[in-house]
Amino acid sequence: GENVEQHPSTLSVQEGDSAVIKCTYSDSASNYFPWYKQELGKGPQLIIDIRSNVGEKKDQRIAVTLNKTAKHFSLHITETQPEDSAVYFCAASGRNTPLVFGKGTRLSVIA
Amino acid sequence: EAGVVQSPRYKIIEKKQPVAFWCNPISGHNTLYWYLQNLGQGPELLIRYENEEAVDDSQLPKDRFSAERLKGVDSTLKIQPAELGDSAVYLCASRSTNTGELFFGEGSRLTVL
Repeated sequence: GENVEQHPSTLSVQEGDSAVIKCTYSDSASNYFPWYKQELGKGPQLIIDIRSNVGEKKDQRIAVTLNKTAKHFSLHITETQPEDSAVYFCAASGRNTPLVFGKGTRLSVIA
Repeated sequence: EAGVVQSPRYKIIEKKQPVAFWCNPISGHNTLYWYLQNLGQGPELLIRYENEEAVDDSQLPKDRFSAERLKGVDSTLKIQPAELGDSAVYLCASRSTNTGELFFGEGSRLTVL
């Protein structure tokens, strides 16, 4: 089955700097790669996703890149703000397979 | 539009006691998931429903866990008897038929003493 590895497990950045979180996946049949943000006491919330027919997607300060050949994808947050502090999860799934999540990255944005 | 609703938000029980969690998905979402989230970990799938049919329950510990979605809308997840290692957050999610996006509830945090 699918296996998703996520790095780093913790990340601290100064406010205004960029943050990058990386994930690798094992199943070449996976074609959907979402990123979730989870705040304390809340359920994960989708912030951006990308499908395997696209190499990059951007939404304001958030962007995701996908390298299908290398089987890795990354989340980029620019101009970080304190409210970006949370745990971020990457995930991967195929056409008929459920989402498999990484173990999460705790991002701290220091004001 | 209301989101995915779960109850209770918190439950504390002694080991060997039963516990049940309830989930009301977003209206019109046919696919419903129960995930287990241990502290510091990502969600792990327990069971997936398509309408009232459980289509993926391979990760559900069937000796003590059970789930149902009788009318293809609300779902319940039961643990009987609970063990200390069951302490975790139980997340319910439903999937949009249009976009495929998963929407999560806020979770039910279980503490087994």
